[in-house]
Amino acid sequence: EPEVTQTPSHQVTQMGQEVILRCVPISNHLYFYWYRQILGQKVEFLVSFYNNEISEKSEIFDDQFSVERPDGSNFTLKIRSTKLEDSAMYFCASSGINRGGSEQFFGPGTRLTVL
Amino acid sequence: KNEVEQSPQNLTAQEGEFITINCSYSVGISALHWLQQHPGGGIVSLFMLSSGKKKHGRLIATINIQEKHSSLHITASHPRDSAVYICAVHRSQGNLIFGKGTKLSVKP
Repeated sequence: EPEVTQTPSHQVTQMGQEVILRCVPISNHLYFYWYRQILGQKVEFLVSFYNNEISEKSEIFDDQFSVERPDGSNFTLKIRSTKLEDSAMYFCASSGINRGGSEQFFGPGTRLTVL
Repeated sequence: KNEVEQSPQNLTAQEGEFITINCSYSVGISALHWLQQHPGGGIVSLFMLSSGKKKHGRLIATINIQEKHSSLHITASHPRDSAVYICAVHRSQGNLIFGKGTKLSVKP
């Protein structure tokens, strides 16, 4: 069964460093998402991506964040200068045809720890 | 005010019990999801609903669009059902808004 994969599963970094979180969405999906979950809190939407551009982003997704689909398979989230408060679980998801009403498939997440 | 409210926040049940988790929302939606988050953190989609009722095994999800309310039922609960159950709504624009989740613990 196709699935969304994410690497690494756990990333530890120093404050101020750049990190890149990687995701491989399901191959025939068209919409891609990043979410984050700070420990003990609810999941929050960061950004959605379609047709090689951002289609929507939340207030959380500021200039420190960027997304890219560098090739036909990977979807990356870059945090330019990490802060302590960026420590969270980051989930990638993908969906098929209809962004507004299509089931989203989640990856297993990357736990980011900023020291 | 949270746009998606779930109740209860925590739920402990004995194996075999019938379980109901509720979700209310205050925004216009195109669909509602029920998700399961395991202790390790992974999220699995259980249902996506835009009307009526869906059933998958021992799980049943219902939605009342007029009342902006959805319920997730688990029949004959089992310890392996222990997880956090999350209600999330697709706003009309498309991104998901998540509830805080209901932590379910089923005791043998």
